[in-house]
Formats: sequence, C-alpha cells, structure tokens
Amino acid sequence: DAGVIQSPRHEVTEMGQEVTLRCKPISGHNSLFWYRQTMMRGLELLIYFNNNVPIDDSGMPEDRFSAKMPNASFSTLKIQPSEPRDSAVYFCASSPQAGGSYEQYFGPGTRLTVT
Amino acid sequence: DQQVKQNSPSLSVQEGRISILNCDYTNSMFDYFLWYKKYPAEGPTFLISISSIKDKNEDGRFTVFLNKSAKHLSLHIVPSQPGDSAVYFCAATPNTGNQFYFGTGTSLTVIP
Repeated sequence: DAGVIQSPRHEVTEMGQEVTLRCKPISGHNSLFWYRQTMMRGLELLIYFNNNVPIDDSGMPEDRFSAKMPNASFSTLKIQPSEPRDSAVYFCASSPQAGGSYEQYFGPGTRLTVT
Repeated sequence: DQQVKQNSPSLSVQEGRISILNCDYTNSMFDYFLWYKKYPAEGPTFLISISSIKDKNEDGRFTVFLNKSAKHLSLHIVPSQPGDSAVYFCAATPNTGNQFYFGTGTSLTVIP
C-alpha cells in the first residue's frame, strides 16, 4: 500500500488567495483526520470524518477553513482567503478504527507558506 | 488550552543509554494513549500505545508507562540508538476514536 498521499508537498501563496490541500487515505480505512502542526501548539486536530461524513469540525479555526470528503478515497481542505497566520504544516491521517485500535497513519504533510 | 503537555522540548542521550520521554495530561476522560515518532519532512508514525486499563505496555526496546492517578505517561527507549533521533509526540483520546489531542513534541537526539 502506498500509504496516505498528500498533495502538494509544498505550497507558497499570497495572502488572500485560495488554497486547496488534497489527501488520499489508505484504502479500507474508514476514518480520516486533518491536522495542523505549528511550533507553538504542536499537532491540532482540525476535522474528523467517519465513513465520509464530517463528525467533528470543532477544531476548524475559522469559517475561512472548509473540508470535504466526497468519497472514501479523497478529501480536501480549503482555506479561502488565506492569511499569513495559516502558515503551517498540514497533515492528513487515516485510521481503520477497528478492534479498539486508534492508531492513525499520517501522510507526509503539506507545508503551507502564506506571504 | 493544551490538554496534553510535553514539557521538555528536547532531550539528548548517549547511544546505549535509556531515553525517557514524559507526557502529562489534564483530562481524566482520556482512555487511550499513543506515542508517535516523526522524522523531518515526514508525517508522524505510530510507535506504541496503551489503554487506561493497563499501566505498562512493552514492544521491543520501547515501553510506555501510564500513571493514571498522576495523569502522566512516559516512553522508555532502551537501549537508545542513533536512528531513534526524532521528534516524539504523545497523544490521547477519550476512547471514542474521534478526538485526539497531541502534545507539542520532544526532540530526541541520540549521540553516537
């Protein structure tokens, strides 16, 4: 298995532009998570999907952030408009959530820089 | 507010010695705890976990200890190897599998 795939790996954009981050989870995993990593706050959970349905988006910082999962093999995280404080590494993770195991498999991340 | 805290941003250990990474949490509802290892430019990878019904879980060189009364867990690596040099994150969930709280990480350097 290729693991969790994220694209792009790096994104540099100007303030005010729309940014779309993409994720392909591991086949067969029924849960998908979006995280943001910053130096100050570490890894923060933004939103969680179970069977393609958003379960908890309380971590989404503002209305400028939105996430979708149109099918079991694809998810997007969109920031519109982007701001410099959104600069961070964004991780997508998937989990089989089977047998009481909550192990997550992370993608390589997208490093976002907003200037 | 950080519900999971790793108060040591960095740790250096000689190869062959024991590495002890610490993690504290505040939420008594947390039931399941995990440790992840992260290399630069890669995503975190799962290392070891422990359920709140246990106080110790061991996997090879890695052992996690849980002290529920103190709301504290630790990861022991023995013997430490240079390849263990990475950032280690602890995480906790209330056993629902849909809310995970991560610490800010501890950067471990194992000196050859």
